[in-house]
Amino acid sequence: SYVLTQPPTVSVAPGQTASITCGGNNIETKAVHWYQHKPGQAPVLVVYDDTDRPSGIPERFSGSNSGNTATLTISRVEAGDEADYCCQVWDTSSDHAVFGGGTKLTVL
Amino acid sequence: QVQLVESGGALVMPGGSLRLSCAASGFTFSDYHMSWIRQAPGKGMEWLSYITSSGSFIFNADSVKGRFTISRDNAKNSLYLQMNSLTAEDTAVYYCARHDGSSEYYFDFWGQGTQVTASP
Repeated sequence: SYVLTQPPTVSVAPGQTASITCGGNNIETKAVHWYQHKPGQAPVLVVYDDTDRPSGIPERFSGSNSGNTATLTISRVEAGDEADYCCQVWDTSSDHAVFGGGTKLTVL
Repeated sequence: QVQLVESGGALVMPGGSLRLSCAASGFTFSDYHMSWIRQAPGKGMEWLSYITSSGSFIFNADSVKGRFTISRDNAKNSLYLQMNSLTAEDTAVYYCARHDGSSEYYFDFWGQGTQVTASP
């Protein structure tokens, strides 16, 4: 089955840029989606189809996908961005969703 | 606005059963595919089961095949997950999630989750 690999933690100072990676074999051939999850709340879709943002998501959130790595980039990080972030793809061969292990973003 | 509210989570003995519900509102439930997803303590999200909008097709993760059954009642705007033969490894927060209407390959809305604990 397809495996997505994320770093467990990423730390960044307020106002700086955070990059959260999602590794997978030839992941550039798949559409990657990203979710933000704060404790006790419903997960929120922040980027879909590699680079698109749902309405209401700030432009500070952006995505890219190339080779074996997809990346979620958060510019001008704010304290409110502190959360877990996970990537997801859909394995069309089995009609299964696959999630990365998640990355905890800490704002210093 | 779109709302998904899970219920039915509880403390249950290993080997026991539980039925989770997800009440949907704010959209035409019968137009959307739905999934159940869980997160065990200290672990990442795990997709469990997917049901198409009409209920005609169902796909399950290998980890729950034969034990968990997804279903829906479009007249009641509700999604269900029947869980049997629960083990400690099933302890997690369980989420229902709506598939995006156009792509269906990602989840555009999630509920806040319901806690299931399998323990003696």
